[in-house]
Amino acid sequence: DAGVTQSPTHLIKTRGQHVTLRCSPISGHKSVSWYQQVLGQGPQFIFQYYEKEERGRGNFPDRFSARQFPNYSSELNVNALLLGDSALYLCASSFTVPVGTIYFGEGSWLTVV
Amino acid sequence: EDKVVQSPLSLVVHEGDTVTLNCSYEVTNFRSLLWYKQEKKAPTFLFMLTSSGIEKKSGRLSSILDKKELFSILNITATQTGDSAIYLCALPTGTASKLTFGTGTRLQVTL
Repeated sequence: DAGVTQSPTHLIKTRGQHVTLRCSPISGHKSVSWYQQVLGQGPQFIFQYYEKEERGRGNFPDRFSARQFPNYSSELNVNALLLGDSALYLCASSFTVPVGTIYFGEGSWLTVV
Repeated sequence: EDKVVQSPLSLVVHEGDTVTLNCSYEVTNFRSLLWYKQEKKAPTFLFMLTSSGIEKKSGRLSSILDKKELFSILNITATQTGDSAIYLCALPTGTASKLTFGTGTRLQVTL
């Protein structure tokens, strides 16, 4: 069975650009969450979607947005990139809400130069 | 504010040693506590704890929760170099739509 898949795995962007990260959850999972992990820190919650609706939002600026599609895959968009957005972006899926065990993808390494 | 604190931040041990990693928390409406292992990218699930005093065990790893004193420990016995990783503790917080993580403990096991 495929786990949580994310793309791209690595990318480099310039300040001010926009980025789209993609995630496909485990088959049968309807909830997708996004986390940002800066080097030396634990993952920080950005968004959670369940059945295509936003169910939670972390303390991130409006430059960050996300959506979930009918097939439960998800996109995370970040506009006007800053150097501080450089991080590992993790997608996680779970069967339902409230969250219990969640399963993470391999992540997308974003470097902003 | 919900808080998860892990200690130590980093640890270097020799192969064969036993280690104890700590996680203390302050959250409203406790639901569960989860441990993850992160080697390179994706954190992988180790344990979910919901009840005090009941040890969860998987091979050389074990974990226990104390809901009165608000902490959990993760024990690794007979450590191996493959145990080198960051160990993350997390709890569902807020409306339970998210996990709040500690900063992690970086464990390095040397020969």
